[in-house]
Amino acid sequence: KAGVTQTPRYLIKTRGQQVTLSCSPISGHRSVSWYQQTPGQGLQFLFEYFSETQRNKGNFPGRFSGRQFSNSRSEMNVSTLELGDSALYLCASSQSRDVAPNEQFFGPGTRLTVL
Amino acid sequence: AQTVTQSQPEMSVQEAETVTLSCTYDTSESDYYLFWYKQPPSRQMILVIRQEAYKQQNATENRFSVNFQKAAKSFSLKISDSQLGDAAMYFCAYRGLKTSYDKVIFGPGTSLSVIP
Repeated sequence: KAGVTQTPRYLIKTRGQQVTLSCSPISGHRSVSWYQQTPGQGLQFLFEYFSETQRNKGNFPGRFSGRQFSNSRSEMNVSTLELGDSALYLCASSQSRDVAPNEQFFGPGTRLTVL
Repeated sequence: AQTVTQSQPEMSVQEAETVTLSCTYDTSESDYYLFWYKQPPSRQMILVIRQEAYKQQNATENRFSVNFQKAAKSFSLKISDSQLGDAAMYFCAYRGLKTSYDKVIFGPGTSLSVIP
């Protein structure tokens, strides 16, 4: 079974631009979560989608948004990029809350650099 | 709010020796899962071991085992017969079954070095 894939793997943008990151979960997984990883803040939860609905959102500004498609693929968008948005963005998929222990499987991440 | 603390930013161990990584957490929930994830230099996050809070028996996966103390809210990871490939950042993580079910809360991580 193929793992979680994320595209692109690396991205360089300038301040003020917007960016869209993509995540394809493991086949059969319906839940997709996004995390931001930085040296200073560590791993921080962004949001989680299940069946095209956002179920939970972390403490991030409205510039960070996401969506999930009917095939469970997910995208996250960051508008008006700031230097502090430079980070590794990790996507994780899991089956569903009804399947214990509902562990998450992570993708390789997208490294975003904002200049 | 739930929090996860890892008090050891860095640890080192000699190859073939045993090392224990510490993790404590704070929660008011009674049902939850705890995880240890490994993130090698490739940055791919890999699940090492998981523990269900309702299980008293400590989880074990080959050379990896945990010491789960629910009352003390402690969840340490023991790596036996350490190998060079164990060198990585290790994250302790918490996932509640109710209020925080939809997100995993990670600790700040412990960087483990393995000395040949």
